[in-house]
Amino acid sequence: AQSVTQLDSQVPVFEEAPVELRCNYSSSVSVYLFWYVQYPNQGLQLLLKYLSGSTLVKGINGFEAEFNKSQTSFHLRKPSVHISDTAEYFCAVRTKGGSEKLVFGKGTKLTVNP
Amino acid sequence: DTAVSQTPKYLVTQMGNDKSIKCEQNLGHDTMYWYKQDSKKFLKIMFSYNNKELIINETVPNRFSPKSPDKAHLNLHINSLELGDSAVYFCASSQGGTSGTNINTGELFFGEGSRLTVL
Repeated sequence: AQSVTQLDSQVPVFEEAPVELRCNYSSSVSVYLFWYVQYPNQGLQLLLKYLSGSTLVKGINGFEAEFNKSQTSFHLRKPSVHISDTAEYFCAVRTKGGSEKLVFGKGTKLTVNP
Repeated sequence: DTAVSQTPKYLVTQMGNDKSIKCEQNLGHDTMYWYKQDSKKFLKIMFSYNNKELIINETVPNRFSPKSPDKAHLNLHINSLELGDSAVYFCASSQGGTSGTNINTGELFFGEGSRLTVL
């Protein structure tokens, strides 16, 4: 069965600083990878996804992530964060050709301070 | 024009009661889900339906019973509510199945959640 580990439960940063949110996954087969964002009192929204092809994927709001198969990682990055990026970020994985199940990590709370 | 809508948004009830949460999607998707998010923000899948057929049924107490009258609706009924059922319940939908040219890549569209508080 697949699993996702988000190493940092909380990441505080200052506005305009770069940020990296770490995600590692475990699976015996090929996977699709996702990052979702949850703003306070809202549902989750897709930031970006890796299905195949280029290992660097760009998403909404200036975020990007890089798939590293050898390290089984899919870290999320943004070169310069805004106050409005304060939210909970979830990494998720689904096996290719497997069930419909999307497995989420425990989330990383990003807090951007002025 | 909400894509995935859930009602009610807030639900406060006593232990032992029975309650339902409704979900509707207007995206034309084939697959719908219920996820539970606990107080620590951990998201866990409960159920998934594809074209009204149950395809994922995680280890969830029998008190929870999903029902999909058509592929645009997925409701969740909970009997004999317990304190531990307090959580935010998210409905989601996605396109496609597990084979063919329309394989479900797993991109989910979420509703805004239904916050259940059991007293």
